[in-house]
Amino acid sequence: GDSVTQMEGPVTLSEEAFLTINCTYTATGYPSLFWYVQYPGEGLQLLLKATKADDKGSNKGFEATYRKETTSFHLEKGSVQVSDSAVYFCALTYNQGGKLIFGQGTELSVKP
Amino acid sequence: GAGVSQSPSNKVTEKGKDVELRCDPISGHTALYWYRQSLGQGLEFLIYFQGNSAPDKSGLPSDRFSAERTGGSVSTLTIQRTQQEDSAVYLCASSLAEANQPQHFGDGTRLSIL
Repeated sequence: GDSVTQMEGPVTLSEEAFLTINCTYTATGYPSLFWYVQYPGEGLQLLLKATKADDKGSNKGFEATYRKETTSFHLEKGSVQVSDSAVYFCALTYNQGGKLIFGQGTELSVKP
Repeated sequence: GAGVSQSPSNKVTEKGKDVELRCDPISGHTALYWYRQSLGQGLEFLIYFQGNSAPDKSGLPSDRFSAERTGGSVSTLTIQRTQQEDSAVYLCASSLAEANQPQHFGDGTRLSIL
């Protein structure tokens, strides 16, 4: 079945450090890929998405590229801030709608 | 507000009682989803409604769980004879029907079974 695997957390970085959170997926078809973020005490928010191979999603300085050859959608940011501290979820779904399949989430803590 | 609204925000109940959780989606969103977020299981899909189509109930963990969506808008998730393992945050999301539309999540209902 379809699944998403994320690198385990927690990830602790200093402010202005480079961030990578790995995400790989297993899918029977051609899914759309998403990163959602959950800030402390808040609900899930869409961070970025990519709907087909080689697409790059970007938002708030974060980027992720849909790599079909490696079935990956790694999240990157060049310089993290304390305010980026949150739990990040990678997810997939199929273009005609339906359920999101989530990875287990990766907690990021950024220290000043 | 313009977002997905869930109520109550917190619910504490005794084992064996029935509970109802409510979700008010974003106006105009025809797709509605329920998920559960728990420490041991992460984020799990429960059920999906799309317009007048039969719901996708494939994620419901047992027959104690049911959901309905009245008038294509508000949805209620019901858990009968609650068990301690039902303790979790129950999240509702809605989206437009078109392909690739993102799901917008509510803040969730934190359910605690004593």
